[in-house]
Amino acid sequence: QKEVEQDPGPLSVPEGAIVSLNCTYSNSAFQYFMWYRQYSRKGPELLMYTYSSGNKEDGRFTAQVDKSSKYISLFIRDSQPSDSATYLCAMSSTGNQFYFGTGTSLTVIP
Amino acid sequence: GAVVSQHPSRVICKSGTSVKIECRSLDFQATTMFWYRQFPKQSLMLMATSNEGSKATYEQGVEKDKFLINHASLTLSTLTVTSAHPEDSSFYICSARTLAGNTGELFFGEGSRLTVL
Repeated sequence: QKEVEQDPGPLSVPEGAIVSLNCTYSNSAFQYFMWYRQYSRKGPELLMYTYSSGNKEDGRFTAQVDKSSKYISLFIRDSQPSDSATYLCAMSSTGNQFYFGTGTSLTVIP
Repeated sequence: GAVVSQHPSRVICKSGTSVKIECRSLDFQATTMFWYRQFPKQSLMLMATSNEGSKATYEQGVEKDKFLINHASLTLSTLTVTSAHPEDSSFYICSARTLAGNTGELFFGEGSRLTVL
């Protein structure tokens, strides 16, 4: 079983839709959770960082961590064409080793 | 967020030559930097973990003599692809962990696209 599972998509939504991206994991020791956005031919950009459980909101983005279910989510409200990218989840237990999802490709159609 | 600068962003070289890629943390000190390789439409593949002042730890299957990593200071790590071959052509990305503050945060460079002719 992989440490982190992420549906690769592709996911295609109309502009203005709410997007839900998810990852599941198997290691209950993970406590640092991150979401990255990666545009084509660019390095990943950190969008959201969450320590332990709970929700975090930043503008149109909301990250949720449910440690009891080993499930994390990223919600994008009022999606824009500029949100079209690959979204990677990442997590770590100690901050010394990081595990990544395979990435979900998102296209927001104008 | 913290800034990680990677240089060069693109490099084309002839087969058999060596190429050096630099990764700098611009506004924070990074005791640990990571080097990844990424193929088109695939996720990041960790190549090695670089700790300042010590030898890098390579992942299984990564040749340490081919991919030389040096982490000479808390703000700079370099990856040298030695005797490059066309199959080494790829997108190489570095990342750095902050020394203080949010321990788990990881910041990435912009990536370096290597093309070996």
